Amino acid sequence: DQQVKQNSPSLSVQEGRISILNCDYTNSMFDYFLWYKKYPAEGPTFLISISSIKDKNEDGRFTVFLNKSAKHLSLHIVPSQPGDSAVYFCAAGFTGGGNKLTFGTGTQLKVEL
Amino acid sequence: DVKVTQSSRYLVKRTGEKVFLECVQDMDHENMFWYRQDPGLGLRLIYFSYDVKMKEKGDIPEGYSVSREKKERFSLILESASTNQTSMYLCASSLLTGTRLDTQYFGPGTRLTVL
Repeated sequence: DQQVKQNSPSLSVQEGRISILNCDYTNSMFDYFLWYKKYPAEGPTFLISISSIKDKNEDGRFTVFLNKSAKHLSLHIVPSQPGDSAVYFCAAGFTGGGNKLTFGTGTQLKVEL
Repeated sequence: DVKVTQSSRYLVKRTGEKVFLECVQDMDHENMFWYRQDPGLGLRLIYFSYDVKMKEKGDIPEGYSVSREKKERFSLILESASTNQTSMYLCASSLLTGTRLDTQYFGPGTRLTVL
């Protein structure tokens, strides 16, 4: 049972435009969500997170939006740059869960010149 | 900077061999994790440990075991490697404050091929 889903395996965007990556979850106990970025031959690196008490968190070009009623979150990258080309993983966890995270299947973002 | 290192970047083993994957972190983190990454399946948690000599099963523990004798080191063991264990293995570590989730820091991964 996939509790965290990323339904788009890939996304292609032009440089300078907005990239929107989506993530859905099913477990209502999740109260903390993260996005990780992964380049080939490297481990994932933390990008941005959001707590369930918020509906938006912003860090530079990256913004994460959370819609709890729809159990949906999205990552917006504006403007997109070629260096953003990577696989993006959505992850979810819950306070008291020992920092155990459940990851989505990932979305390959390609930013074209 | 947090550093998580894994003993090998690439490993080729034969079916039935016993395989050890080692992970070391240098930030005194309580939590350590082992994941495998497969195309279309994302990262799946195999085992994790929140203290020395403690271990908890993740989502896919079958065919694996772990060892944590020292706080900084977490080993993943494939008792008898099989071809369906060919994968990218990722180790991670994090603090455990008990009040909020802490960022997991990942190692570079070990690409294991079982022939």
